[in-house]
Amino acid sequence: EAGVVQSPRYKIIEKKQPVAFWCNPISGHNTLYWYLQNLGQGPELLIRYENEEAVDDSQLPKDRFSAERLKGVDSTLKIQPAELGDSAVYLCASSLGLAGGQETQYFGPGTRLLVL
Amino acid sequence: AQSVTQPDIHITVSEGASLELRCNYSYGATPYLFWYVQSPGQGLQLLLKYFSGDTLVQGIKGFEAEFKRSQSSFNLRKPSVHWSDAAEYFCAVGAKGGATNKLIFGTGTLLAVQP
Repeated sequence: EAGVVQSPRYKIIEKKQPVAFWCNPISGHNTLYWYLQNLGQGPELLIRYENEEAVDDSQLPKDRFSAERLKGVDSTLKIQPAELGDSAVYLCASSLGLAGGQETQYFGPGTRLLVL
Repeated sequence: AQSVTQPDIHITVSEGASLELRCNYSYGATPYLFWYVQSPGQGLQLLLKYFSGDTLVQGIKGFEAEFKRSQSSFNLRKPSVHWSDAAEYFCAVGAKGGATNKLIFGTGTLLAVQP
């Protein structure tokens, strides 16, 4: 079974440029997560989707970050414009979407972003 | 608020030696607990998880962890470390149910293995 797929794996851009990351979750997984991982830190949740609906985006900096999950499968995370401090690893994860919270999240390899 | 503390930023052990990575959590109810491992340039791989039941949990690659409610701990152990275990290890607590189904991660412990 294929795992969570993310692209690109690496991205280098200049500040103020836009950038987009793509995620394809594990087949059949209704819940999709985007995490931000700064160097030397654990991942921090940016946004969580239940199917097409963003049910937790409280940590997403909405002035420059946006996300979508059309048709409840693939998702795109966008930054516009990028700032130097956005350099980090962006991780996508997915889970079945079980009631009661007994969920196991499966992570993709991440996109490593460097903003110059 | 939920939180996870991994007191050891960096640990070095010799190959073949035993390993214990510490994890303490703060959560108002019985938590869901996870250990993930991250190799350089890779995503997070699940080692093991605790939801309920037996407090000693077996995982992949010979790892185990024990949930101790009285100590709010979920330490990860391995009896004999292999060079391929060198990686970063993250403990995480999962909030239960409803709209709060997210993981709170610790800051990680970087494991180095000496030959």
